[in-house]
Amino acid sequence: EAGVTQSPTHLIKTRGQQATLRCSPISGHTSVYWYQQALGLGLQFLLWYDEGEERNRGNFPPRFSGRQFPNYSSELNVNALELEDSALYLCASSLRVGTYLGNQPQHFGDGTRLSIL
Amino acid sequence: DAKTTQPNSMESNEEEPVHLPCNHSTISGTDYIHWYRQLPSQGPEYVIHGLTSNVNNRMASLAIAEDRKSSTLILHRATLRDAAVYYCILRNTDKLIFGTGTRLQVFP
Repeated sequence: EAGVTQSPTHLIKTRGQQATLRCSPISGHTSVYWYQQALGLGLQFLLWYDEGEERNRGNFPPRFSGRQFPNYSSELNVNALELEDSALYLCASSLRVGTYLGNQPQHFGDGTRLSIL
Repeated sequence: DAKTTQPNSMESNEEEPVHLPCNHSTISGTDYIHWYRQLPSQGPEYVIHGLTSNVNNRMASLAIAEDRKSSTLILHRATLRDAAVYYCILRNTDKLIFGTGTRLQVFP
């Protein structure tokens, strides 16, 4: 079974540009989550998509946005890039069974490393 | 969100058992206890989770205290590949809230 795949592996941008990161979930998983892992800040929840809708977002500005496609893959867009956006961006997927999510493990990709020059 | 407390680091020798502790005194009845680990240059990897009873899978065992205020992840025979940061997370919602975890070093 193929795991969560993310592309690109590395992305280099300059301040003010826009970045698009992509994620393909495990087959059969409908929920996709995005996390940011910046140096010194640990892993922080960014966004959750399920069935094509944004269901929850973390404490990040609106220039962080995304979408989920009918095939459940997802894109994370970061506009007006700032130096502090340099981080590893991780995507995870899970099954969504019922409305209670505590019992569903999340499976992560290896991330996209975004560097802002 | 309920908080967990883990030691910053632990050491083990190869082929020895490792017991990684986690305290979660404010756990609620609907919180599942999840463990993930992150190897260098990789995304986090799901290890195991449970609610009240002890759990076993091919990777590890999870021992949960009767009052659920603490738990222990047990690696039965550590290998060099088990060197990673291990995160204990309480979860009853969509997102995972990662703390700083325990950095496990394994020596040959």
